[in-house]
Amino acid sequence: AQSVTQLGSHVSVSEGALVLLRCNYSSSVPPYLFWYVQYPNQGLQLLLKYTTGATLVKGINGFEAEFKKSETSFHLTKPSAHMSDAAEYFCAVSEWRNNNDMRFGAGTRLTVKP
Amino acid sequence: NAGVTQTPKFRILKIGQSMTLQCAQDMNHNYMYWYRQDPGMGLKLIYYSVGAGITDKGEVPNGYNVSRSTTEDFPLRLELAAPSQTSVYFCASSYDRVNEQFFGPGTRLTVL
Repeated sequence: AQSVTQLGSHVSVSEGALVLLRCNYSSSVPPYLFWYVQYPNQGLQLLLKYTTGATLVKGINGFEAEFKKSETSFHLTKPSAHMSDAAEYFCAVSEWRNNNDMRFGAGTRLTVKP
Repeated sequence: NAGVTQTPKFRILKIGQSMTLQCAQDMNHNYMYWYRQDPGMGLKLIYYSVGAGITDKGEVPNGYNVSRSTTEDFPLRLELAAPSQTSVYFCASSYDRVNEQFFGPGTRLTVL
């Protein structure tokens, strides 16, 4: 079955600095990949997703992620962090070909320092 | 369009009590899910449903039960609450099994 590993449970950046949140997955078939964001005391909402086609995916709030099959990675980036980006971020994978349930990573808490 | 709604937002239970967490969606999604979220552990799937009348166990079903009598509603029942069930519970729905899931705001449950 598919699985997700998020490297780093906590990431801290300064406002205006690059945000890089790492996600590696394992899947026996081409995956669907997702990043969700969870603001304090709220549910998860979709930031972006990769299904097929272009490997660089743009999402909301200036985030983007690149699917790299050779590295089995789907890292999330944003060129310049804003205070409002402070949240928990979850990477998730599903296997459309196997019709398997979505599996979530353990999450990365992003802190943005002024 | 309210999306996915959950009630209550917060609840404190005593050990051995039971309760039902309510979840409803108005997007006509066939697929619905219950997750629990514990600190540093991500989301664990408790139960899911692929349509009215059809439910199945997820990764951590023990101590919980579900039913799905309508497309809209997917309640989660806790019988004989235990401290290990202290968690934040999220309900989600989706069009199919592999695409984006839409989440409710969560229910924070404490069992003392």
